[in-house]
Amino acid sequence: AQTVTQSQPEMSVQEAETVTLSCTYDTSESDYYLFWYKQPPSRQMILVIRQEAYKQQNATENRFSVNFQKAAKSFSLKISDSQLGDAAMYFCAYRSAITGANSKLTFGKGITLSVRP
Amino acid sequence: KAGVTQTPRYLIKTRGQQVTLSCSPISGHRSVSWYQQTPGQGLQFLFEYFSETQRNKGNFPGRFSGRQFSNSRSEMNVSTLELGDSALYLCASSFNLRAYEQYFGPGTRLTVT
Repeated sequence: AQTVTQSQPEMSVQEAETVTLSCTYDTSESDYYLFWYKQPPSRQMILVIRQEAYKQQNATENRFSVNFQKAAKSFSLKISDSQLGDAAMYFCAYRSAITGANSKLTFGKGITLSVRP
Repeated sequence: KAGVTQTPRYLIKTRGQQVTLSCSPISGHRSVSWYQQTPGQGLQFLFEYFSETQRNKGNFPGRFSGRQFSNSRSEMNVSTLELGDSALYLCASSFNLRAYEQYFGPGTRLTVT
């Protein structure tokens, strides 16, 4: 079974600065997807960024980028130029890409990010 | 396009009762997944439906069940409610089982007293 670990329950960042959220995972599979989801206090979960395991290039979406280290099974999220609207709980998630397809996501416990004005 | 909708948004039930939660996916999406979110256990996968068939099931007791209708709308049912069933229940839809992105609804907050 796959597991996802987010060891930091809370983090804080000053507005306009950069913060990195950590995530490690464990799997015996070679093909999979990794995601970061954001859940603001309103609770609607939204996808921030995704990474396909077969791609060596780290994914980037505007101010959000990842550092994907497949051998180390590490998948961290970097938020640049932090904004007040970035305050939320962030979840790291894993999904198998094995055929017999299903959409099941395995989530970490989440990190609560606060942004100081 | 309208997003994923879940009804009701809030629900209070008593131990031993049963409850039915509803999820309407984004138009055109045929896959619906359900997750339970609690402070202690985090987000846990309940089950997934595609084309009215359950494709995958999480490690939950048989009191938790679901179904999907021909219009892709899905319901989940919890019978004989326990205090530990108090949680936020999230529904997510995607175009199909292989689609990258899942779109989540706002959730149903269930409180069992």
